[in-house]
Amino acid sequence: GAGVSQSPSNKVTEKGKDVELRCDPISGHTALYWYRQSLGQGLEFLIYFQGNSAPDKSGLPSDRFSAERTGGSVSTLTIQRTQQEDSAVYLCASSSSLSGLGEQFFGPGTRLTVL
Amino acid sequence: RKEVEQDPGPFNVPEGATVAFNCTYSNSASQSFFWYRQDCRKEPKLLMSVYSSGNEDGRFTAQLNRASQYISLLIRDSKLSDSATYLCVGHTGGFKTIFGAGTRLFVKA
Repeated sequence: GAGVSQSPSNKVTEKGKDVELRCDPISGHTALYWYRQSLGQGLEFLIYFQGNSAPDKSGLPSDRFSAERTGGSVSTLTIQRTQQEDSAVYLCASSSSLSGLGEQFFGPGTRLTVL
Repeated sequence: RKEVEQDPGPFNVPEGATVAFNCTYSNSASQSFFWYRQDCRKEPKLLMSVYSSGNEDGRFTAQLNRASQYISLLIRDSKLSDSATYLCVGHTGGFKTIFGAGTRLFVKA
């Protein structure tokens, strides 16, 4: 079956512009995560959605970052007024685990470059 | 101190060697642990879960030591295809997932 998909695969933008990154999770997965991975670094947790519950936003680095998940499926991560330090690969993952503690399936990521 | 710490390596080993990685965690309330594998410029994929009783899958063995707050991954009979970055993952209170920075492994012929 289809895995997690993300779009765009690459995004180049100018400093100060807003960007939207999209994630389509595996059908039926209730849990959805966003991470950021800078070059040569591990994954940095950003936000977690579980069904219709309030998301865990504890990892969002600033108020320029926001995310929403419509209808419990597709999610959009928005970065406003992008800065050069926002350049990274943004990864989305979904999971069927209701506890949030199970296997996560990752999308291929969106590589964001802020000039 | 980082919540999950790993030796970044790289570990350079010949084919057939046995190699072990450790990962320490700081939050004693951490509930679940996993090892993920990430190939260069690819997304992470689950390698195996880590249980208190230990977990073995073919050439791979994962163990959890709660008293010392570390988890380990042992790879026996290393293959060229094992070359990758291995990410240690822990779940602390709630649903926040903490990834280590990864340990790079190069297996050479």
